[in-house]
Amino acid sequence: NAGVTQTPKFQVLKTGQSMTLQCAQDMNHEYMSWYRQDPGMGLRLIHYSVGAGITDQGEVPNGYNVSRSTTEDFPLRLLSAAPSQTSVYFCASKAAGKVGEQYFGPGTRLTVT
Amino acid sequence: GEDVEQSLFLSVREGDSSVINCTYTDSSSTYLYWYKQEPGAGLQLLTYIFSNMDMKQDQRLTVLLNKKDKHLSLRIADTQTGDSAIYFCAESIGPRDNTDKLIFGTGTRLQVFP
Repeated sequence: NAGVTQTPKFQVLKTGQSMTLQCAQDMNHEYMSWYRQDPGMGLRLIHYSVGAGITDQGEVPNGYNVSRSTTEDFPLRLLSAAPSQTSVYFCASKAAGKVGEQYFGPGTRLTVT
Repeated sequence: GEDVEQSLFLSVREGDSSVINCTYTDSSSTYLYWYKQEPGAGLQLLTYIFSNMDMKQDQRLTVLLNKKDKHLSLRIADTQTGDSAIYFCAESIGPRDNTDKLIFGTGTRLQVFP
């Protein structure tokens, strides 16, 4: 199993550009989520999904869209990047009913200039 | 709202014990977690404790929970240089089975020196 994979590892965008951060898991997990990590602020939940076709907002959803057309994939879209979205983004997945076993991807470091 | 707080830095000598502390505000948290993040990597679950427990031990790791004071600690015995990392405390605030939404603390950077 590859676990949770994220691409790209690094990305630099100009303000106003759009892009999609990819996340995939091969563990057949129902629950997937996106977090952003900023210095001194820990990880904050952006969006999450409890299964294919179902998504919901987390703590900091503004400026981001998600979709969940398959169990495996949970892409995060930035429609018009802003410097405030410079951060490290982590995708995570978890099997329903399994306590605590949330698996994290390696992260995508995004810089918006 | 929910808030989880940790001190930012801890420095210990190799072989000593490390104690990383965390306070949280949501008394309805069901589970509390400790994650470890090594440089350039994602988060790795170290251990977790159910909210009706006081203590959990797992090899070199001991988790203590004081629910009355909403205080959680992680003790690492015989700390090694490989333990140098950022440690995150997190509380579960979502419905128990499915969403498991987590609120993370700011992270404590543990530095182990020889």
